[in-house]
Amino acid sequence: GQNIDQPTEMTATEGAIVQINCTYQTSGFNGLFWYQQHAGEAPTFLSYNVLDGLEEKGRFSSFLSRSKGYSYLLLKELQMKDSASYLCAVRDSNYQLIWGAGTKLIIKP
Amino acid sequence: KAGVTQTPRYLIKTRGQQVTLSCSPISGHRSVSWYQQTPGQGLQFLFEYFSETQRNKGNFPGRFSGRQFSNSRSEMNVSTLELGDSALYLCASSPGAGETYEQYFGPGTRLTVT
Repeated sequence: GQNIDQPTEMTATEGAIVQINCTYQTSGFNGLFWYQQHAGEAPTFLSYNVLDGLEEKGRFSSFLSRSKGYSYLLLKELQMKDSASYLCAVRDSNYQLIWGAGTKLIIKP
Repeated sequence: KAGVTQTPRYLIKTRGQQVTLSCSPISGHRSVSWYQQTPGQGLQFLFEYFSETQRNKGNFPGRFSGRQFSNSRSEMNVSTLELGDSALYLCASSPGAGETYEQYFGPGTRLTVT
């Protein structure tokens, strides 16, 4: 079966750095997405990786290793507004998106 | 440009009833996907439509169905509702199907089955 694993919950301090990991086992690979979802709101797109390496976008960076079936989302200079759930999703060989259950990130002052 | 809209936003139904949810994608977007979201389960893929054709279907029973119209608007229908169908139903649109396109989500329809 297809599976995406992420930690259920993480806690970090305002101003610090946090890394959210995602491991996947899917039928084929056609890209990996990270989304942010604030409580009661719809998910919003953060990043996309299809080749190995690091993609940087402001305070957020995403890394991919296809050989290891592994990605992480790195959030720097954490702000209170970064408190949200972070969803990892992989496009399989049928271009269907397979989603992880999400990681709830709690930021403390 | 207006975002993805979903109607209704909230719905309360009784077991055994049926329900139809509507989704209007971003103008110019031709792909619409539907998801069910429940606490602890994450997003569960229901189906994807592109140019009025169903491209992909998730592992949901036949009680869940959908369609897409020529203007790319989409509807999903759930018949014979069960208590376990209570969830947030999200619709997402993208310019095309598959490949690198990210999805833009609507605010969702919160369905409660009593």
